Amino acid sequence: QPVLTQSSSASASLGSSVKLTCTLSSGHSRYIIAWHQQQPGKAPRYFMMVEGSGGYNKGSGVPDRFSGSSSGADRYLTISNLQSEDEADYYCETWDSNTRVFGGGTKLTVL
Amino acid sequence: EVQLVESGGGLVQPGRSLRLSCAASGFSFDDYAMHWVRQAPGKGLEWVSDVSRNSDRIGYADSVKGRFTISRDNAKNSLYLQMNSLTAEDTALYYCAKGSVGVSGPVDYWGQGTLVTVSS
Repeated sequence: QPVLTQSSSASASLGSSVKLTCTLSSGHSRYIIAWHQQQPGKAPRYFMMVEGSGGYNKGSGVPDRFSGSSSGADRYLTISNLQSEDEADYYCETWDSNTRVFGGGTKLTVL
Repeated sequence: EVQLVESGGGLVQPGRSLRLSCAASGFSFDDYAMHWVRQAPGKGLEWVSDVSRNSDRIGYADSVKGRFTISRDNAKNSLYLQMNSLTAEDTALYYCAKGSVGVSGPVDYWGQGTLVTVSS
């Protein structure tokens, strides 16, 4: 089954850009993933789906500052013009016919 | 507007059972797969179980297989999770989540969660 690996933490300054990475395990590099944001004390929110081709499809109401991309087994979430409300945990998700998995999450701190 | 409202959580002793419910509205419930995802205190997200739109395909995480049973009632727009033989490791916030038209596809809406605490 696929495994998703994320850095445990990341930080960037207000107004800058940051790129979060989700890495698919060997043999699963073509899988589609989804990104979810979880602000402190809140339920997760679906943000976007990212394909192996690099194409991405955002959820309803997700700001233009958020974009997705891909390279090999890596799937990215890029946030431009960082805002204070972007400080949150970000999880990636993938699935196959037998199971569904989440990455361990990246805690993003806005400095 | 999609709404998912979980209920049924609470404090339960180890070895006992609990049944969670999720009331869905704002979308055609019987067109979509549904999921349960949990989050232990201070930890990440863990997929628990899913059920296809007409219940012909059901999946479980290894950690709950044989103890938990997912079901849905499309006439009532409701999702359920029967949890038996509970242990302290099952303590978590349980989220009901909407899936895609097919079995494959991301979770695209989340409920607010219901807290299950397993303790003597």
